[in-house]
Amino acid sequence: SQTIHQWPATLVQPVGSPLSLECTVEGTSNPNLYWYRQAAGRGLQLLFYSVGIGQISSEVPQNLSASRPQDRQFILSSKKLLLSDSGFYLCAWSQSWGLSNSPLHFGNGTRLTVT
Amino acid sequence: SQKIEQNSEALNIQEGKTATLTCNYTNYSPAYLQWYRQDPGRGPVFLLLIRENEKEKRKERLKVTFDTTLKQSLFHITASQPADSATYLCARNRGGADGLTFGKGTHLIIQP
Repeated sequence: SQTIHQWPATLVQPVGSPLSLECTVEGTSNPNLYWYRQAAGRGLQLLFYSVGIGQISSEVPQNLSASRPQDRQFILSSKKLLLSDSGFYLCAWSQSWGLSNSPLHFGNGTRLTVT
Repeated sequence: SQKIEQNSEALNIQEGKTATLTCNYTNYSPAYLQWYRQDPGRGPVFLLLIRENEKEKRKERLKVTFDTTLKQSLFHITASQPADSATYLCARNRGGADGLTFGKGTHLIIQP
């Protein structure tokens, strides 16, 4: 069966510090991968998605970036965090093979607090 | 832009009753809508998908409808239980791009 792992579960970082959140998927190959952010009182906001190694689409201009160095690894980074980067970050995967209606399978998220 | 609107206020339902949650969308009809459940501090979990040519979809105590005239989907939980208490999210495809657009969710509370 497929599983998705995200870490860390919680993170407190000072403003201006770098960020690296990692997500890995097991039990499937060539998944579509996604980073969402959920801020208090707001819905899930799509940040990045990837349909293959090295292929990243950015949905929202910001000081965050994403990379996909391996088929089942997705990394969210920042060089300098802002207070507004605080939130609940969720990684998700879905089947590719042209199934645009495939459900998303989410990890358990990282609660990031920028102080 | 495509929007998904859910009543973000909490919905209180007595145990055993049917809970009905509403999801409205704007602009063109999505090819499908998906419903997810999210518990506090956890990622959303997929529940049901309904296509625009389907009027209704069922899974155990769950039922979803899709009305393209009203631009609305209804999500029903019959014989509700306290364990059904959670936030329920509606999502639509983004039309030509990957990923989903989510509503803010409705917080459902089932009272014993």
